[in-house]
Amino acid sequence: EAQVTQNPRYLITVTGKKLTVTCSQNMNHEYMSWYRQDPGLGLRQIYYSMNVEVTDKGDVPEGYKVSRKEKRNFPLILESPSPNQTSLYFCASSGQGRETQYFGPGTRLLVL
Amino acid sequence: GENVEQHPSTLSVQEGDSAVIKCTYSDSASNYFPWYKQELGKRPQLIIDIRSNVGEKKDQRIAVTLNKTAKHFSLHITETQPEDSAVYFCAANRGSQGNLIFGKGTKLSVKP
Repeated sequence: EAQVTQNPRYLITVTGKKLTVTCSQNMNHEYMSWYRQDPGLGLRQIYYSMNVEVTDKGDVPEGYKVSRKEKRNFPLILESPSPNQTSLYFCASSGQGRETQYFGPGTRLLVL
Repeated sequence: GENVEQHPSTLSVQEGDSAVIKCTYSDSASNYFPWYKQELGKRPQLIIDIRSNVGEKKDQRIAVTLNKTAKHFSLHITETQPEDSAVYFCAANRGSQGNLIFGKGTKLSVKP
């Protein structure tokens, strides 16, 4: 089954404790992206990757890192999480057209 | 920078009525305009999209119209049903890069 998976789905952590949210897709998509969703603010892009070893900042990249060492995986790294990073995070992928995006199930993060 | 504005933020209709959600975009190079539906607790999913060489597209009870001159596009849902209740997001691509910029969403409630 074609899908985008994320782990973990729920995470509670404390300020400053490094964490990684994994994202994996099995559709051989070149393009992958991370979004955060906050009430009243919609979906805001954090980082995106157009292919292996190619990443770029989105609209809200501060406090986040990403890597794209393999085509199928695009982890999101929070080196020193802060409470303002409490949010719902979505990973998405799309093919060469980079248009129709398929979203993962979401990761709900709470930073205390 | 580029942005997508979406109105209204909330919309309540009676079952059977029509619902219209409107978006405007700022990037003249945008040529792809998808609409996503997000049910409560779920991931966003593509419901319909339109490209700049087409003025209107229909799929059963939903339709999207595009006015490139005015940089407007709209989602029309006819004969609404309770299962249409969700948050709807419009988006536009950032020209050749293909990144999607999302509107802030419209929460549609269909009352039985």
